[in-house]
Amino acid sequence: KAGVTQTPRYLIKTRGQQVTLSCSPISGHRSVSWYQQTPGQGLQFLFEYFSETQRNKGNFPGRFSGRQFSNSRSEMNVSTLELGDSALYLCASSLEGTGTYEQYFGPGTRLTVT
Amino acid sequence: GENVEQHPSTLSVQEGDSAVIKCTYSDSASNYFPWYKQELGKRPQLIIDIRSNVGEKKDQRIAVTLNKTAKHFSLHITETQPEDSAVYFCAAKGSARQLTFGSGTQLTVLP
Repeated sequence: KAGVTQTPRYLIKTRGQQVTLSCSPISGHRSVSWYQQTPGQGLQFLFEYFSETQRNKGNFPGRFSGRQFSNSRSEMNVSTLELGDSALYLCASSLEGTGTYEQYFGPGTRLTVT
Repeated sequence: GENVEQHPSTLSVQEGDSAVIKCTYSDSASNYFPWYKQELGKRPQLIIDIRSNVGEKKDQRIAVTLNKTAKHFSLHITETQPEDSAVYFCAAKGSARQLTFGSGTQLTVLP
């Protein structure tokens, strides 16, 4: 079974621009979670989508948004980019059946804001 | 919300020795505790996890223990090898149903 994939792998943007990142979960997984990873803050939860609905949201400003499609693929969008948004953005997929919590990560998208 | 603290932040051991990483959590409703290993430039990989109804779980050289009363859990790696060198993250899934991660431990296994 193919693992979680993310595109693009690397991205350079300018302050004020917006960006869209994509995540394709493991086949059959219906939950997709997004995380921001930075050296100073570690892994921080952004949001989770399940069956096209946002089920959970972390403490990030409204500039960070996401969505999930009927095939479980997910996108996250960051508008009005700031220098502090430079980070590795990871998505993770989960089967989310009864008692199944395991999350599997994608390789991440490295976003650099200049 | 959930708060997960992880110690130590760095750990160096000699090859063949054991390594122990400890985490505490704040949400008494937390019921799932995974550990991830992240090598430089790679994605975090799930290496072991434990549910709240189990006190200990072992997988070859890796074991995890959970003390629900004290709200802490630990990762134990025995007979460490150079390829065990990586950053290890603990996490807890609490009443908010999201994973909250610890700050990570850089483990270095010295040959």
